[in-house]
Amino acid sequence: DVVMTQSPLSLPVTLGQPASISCRSSQSLVHSDGNTYLNWFQQRPGQSPRRLIYKVSNRDSGVPDRFSGSGSGTDFTLRISRVEAEDVGVYYCMQGAHWPLTFGGGTKVEI
Amino acid sequence: EVQLVESGGDLLQPGGSLRLSCEASGFTFSIHAMSWVRQTPGKGLEWVSSTSDSGANTYYADSVKGRFTVSRDNSKNTLYLQMNSLRVEDTALYYCAKGKWLRDIEYWGQGTLVTVSS
Repeated sequence: DVVMTQSPLSLPVTLGQPASISCRSSQSLVHSDGNTYLNWFQQRPGQSPRRLIYKVSNRDSGVPDRFSGSGSGTDFTLRISRVEAEDVGVYYCMQGAHWPLTFGGGTKVEI
Repeated sequence: EVQLVESGGDLLQPGGSLRLSCEASGFTFSIHAMSWVRQTPGKGLEWVSSTSDSGANTYYADSVKGRFTVSRDNSKNTLYLQMNSLRVEDTALYYCAKGKWLRDIEYWGQGTLVTVSS
């Protein structure tokens, strides 16, 4: 199975300041079709997860442009350009290149 | 608006069986892959099972293979998860999820709680 390792486990942030979360996979997430299947999800307290980013860097509809994703191969990053209060929650990366689908352990973003 | 509404969660003893349902609306159910993902405080998010748009292809985590069966009724816009031989470690909040393609998770339901305890 592909192991997804996120860091840090906890991320204290300051409102208006940037923040970044790292996600590393134990195998390349480049599929034979040429796409790299790496998603990012946000889970606010008491809510279901919400997808923010798919295929490394594509923002989902309605996701603020302060969220961006980058990376390639086995090394990926989610960045928040200026943290807002509503960004508090746990962020997960997930790979969809190989069965079984696997998630990172999560990064808790707190003010 | 995409809506996924899970139901069927319950408290039951080890060895028991349960069927979860997920009613979908707001999109063309029959052309999208669907999945089940579970969440526990200790183990985070764990993918359980996925099915292709027609239901012809199904996929399972090793932890549930042979015990759980995913199915769908495209005429009813409903996804199912038949859970047999339940174990304490199957205790979790079970989410239904829609994918844009196979091996994708896009939208999540609100979850249904399954508790297995003696």
